Amino acid sequence: KNEVEQSPQNLTAQEGEFITINCSYSVGISALHWLQQHPGGGIVSLFMLSSGKKKHGRLIATINIQEKHSSLHITASHPRDSAVYICAVRWSYSGGGADGLTFGKGTHLIIQP
Amino acid sequence: SAVISQKPSRDICQRGTSLTIQCQVDSQVTMMFWYRQQPGQSLTLIATANQGSEATYESGFVIDKFPISRPNLTFSTLTVSNMSPEDSSIYLCSVALRNRNTEAFFGQGTRLTVV
Repeated sequence: KNEVEQSPQNLTAQEGEFITINCSYSVGISALHWLQQHPGGGIVSLFMLSSGKKKHGRLIATINIQEKHSSLHITASHPRDSAVYICAVRWSYSGGGADGLTFGKGTHLIIQP
Repeated sequence: SAVISQKPSRDICQRGTSLTIQCQVDSQVTMMFWYRQQPGQSLTLIATANQGSEATYESGFVIDKFPISRPNLTFSTLTVSNMSPEDSSIYLCSVALRNRNTEAFFGQGTRLTVV
């Protein structure tokens, strides 16, 4: 079964620290999503990428297709960044369900003041 | 982009009852999906809501338990029927504007607790 693995599962850091969350997957993909889930459950799409690097404000997402690995970085972290960050991939083959997505279990991030 | 309004945001329900969750999108979208996220688990696709026809369910999910409606291209409902405590989860609506290869947008989620 093709899988998506995230690390770490839990991360607590101090305000201002540089944060890195990792996502690895098992076979080729056509796209990778980084999602942010707030305590109420709602999800916001942060990035969708298939190669290289994207930046939005303090968030940076990179992907290495050859190594089947992506990272989400948060610079100058703030308590409001506290959330669950979820990696989701769309496999190159037509698998993963009708939506084509397979989700990681998420990284629970807490930024302390 | 698409803005999704999902209601209710949370509810506490008695076992044996049913709850209907609504998903309203601010623009016409091709694909609408319903997910379940059980405590500590990743999102799992329940079904694809098809406009004007029966939903397409993933393995392990059945229409009698999770009836879905989609009367038009901007609205869908998911009903969790005859609830038990095992149905306590977050339920999420998601849309793709044109097809599954385009960016996905998610609703705010419905946190359901069954007592």
